Amino acid sequence: DAGVTQSPTHLIKTRGQHVTLRCSPISGHKSVSWYQQVLGQGPQFIFQYYEKEERGRGNFPDRFSARQFPNYSSELNVNALLLGDSALYLCASIGYQDGTNYGYTFGSGTRLTVV
Amino acid sequence: AQKITQTQPGMFVQEKEAVTLDCTYDTSDQSYGLFWYKQPSSGEMIFLIYQGSYDEQNATEGRYSLNFQKARKSANLVISASQLGDSAMYFCAMREFNFGNEKLTFGTGTRLTIIP
Repeated sequence: DAGVTQSPTHLIKTRGQHVTLRCSPISGHKSVSWYQQVLGQGPQFIFQYYEKEERGRGNFPDRFSARQFPNYSSELNVNALLLGDSALYLCASIGYQDGTNYGYTFGSGTRLTVV
Repeated sequence: AQKITQTQPGMFVQEKEAVTLDCTYDTSDQSYGLFWYKQPSSGEMIFLIYQGSYDEQNATEGRYSLNFQKARKSANLVISASQLGDSAMYFCAMREFNFGNEKLTFGTGTRLTIIP
């Protein structure tokens, strides 16, 4: 079975640009969450989506947005990039009927560098 | 607000020794869960062990066990017979549930280095 797929794995953007990160959850999982991990810190919760609806939002500015598609894949969008947005962005696939990993499986992440 | 505290920024342990990584948490919720993850330099969060707040017995997964002391709000990870491949960052995280919404709150992590 395919795990959680995130793309791209790495990217470099310039300040002020826009970026879109993508996540494909495990087949059968209907919920995804996004986390930002700045170097040297633990991941911080950004969004949770379930059945295409936003279910939770962390303490992030409106420059951050996300959506979930009918096939349960998800996009995280960040506008007007700042140097401080440089981080590893992790997607978690959440399966409420799936006992594996107690429902949470993370992707390998996207490393975003803003220059 | 929920909070996870990991007070050990780094630890050095001799191979084959046991190691305990500390984690304390703060929450007013009755129902919650506690995860431990391993994060190698590649970045992926690897699930190690999970403890539910209502679980009466401490969780175990192979060489990993969780020393859950609910009254003290601590959930320490014990790794028995450490191996060189255990060198990585380790994160404690609390799972909060709220009517179908949920999120994980992570600690700042502990960098574990196993010495041959």
